[in-house]
Amino acid sequence: GEDVEQSLFLSVREGDSSVINCTYTDSSSTYLYWYKQEPGAGLQLLTYIFSNMDMKQDQRLTVLLNKKDKHLSLRIADTQTGDSAIYFCAENVGISGGYNKLIFGAGTRLAVHP
Amino acid sequence: GAVVSQHPSWVICKSGTSVKIECRSLDFQATTMFWYRQFPKQSLMLMATSNEGSKATYEQGVEKDKFLINHASLTLSTLTVTSAHPEDSSFYICSARVLGQGRGNGYTFGSGTRLTVV
Repeated sequence: GEDVEQSLFLSVREGDSSVINCTYTDSSSTYLYWYKQEPGAGLQLLTYIFSNMDMKQDQRLTVLLNKKDKHLSLRIADTQTGDSAIYFCAENVGISGGYNKLIFGAGTRLAVHP
Repeated sequence: GAVVSQHPSWVICKSGTSVKIECRSLDFQATTMFWYRQFPKQSLMLMATSNEGSKATYEQGVEKDKFLINHASLTLSTLTVTSAHPEDSSFYICSARVLGQGRGNGYTFGSGTRLTVV
């Protein structure tokens, strides 16, 4: 089935690292994503990783993928107050007709405090 | 980059009326448009997938007669909530599949529409 799970809340001190975890179920997912949503706004793509990669780094963001355990994580280094938002993990699954759709986790609310 | 313009950003309507939400791809062709619904503090639930020129494919449990989706061109898709009721109040977000881009960065989202039915 299609299911993406992630912890709902994370609180970190400004300047520390944040690690948000996610598990997914569709082993055929070729892409996995992290999106950021600020209050009342749409989704902003932060980063994505192709399924044949174990790690991807993009400035302060590091994505780790464990395909065997179907586990994805997002690490934000030197977390800032501007990073406070909801972070969604998503997997790309195939649907009929050769198309794809994104399945989202429930979102992790990241709160950054001084 | 690819931008999807979604309007209105918020709307308040009376129970029983219909509301149309538009999503336009500004500088690219959107072969596929996805419509999501998001309840407060919850995830995005896919409502339907529409391909230009074809009928939309609705997810299980979504009433196709209540949520009318039109994708008549590669740059415009609309969602009409017909005979809206308070339980339809939600945040609706569209997402476009960008033609010619890989699946890594090939999805772009609108800014969302907050619908409140009174």
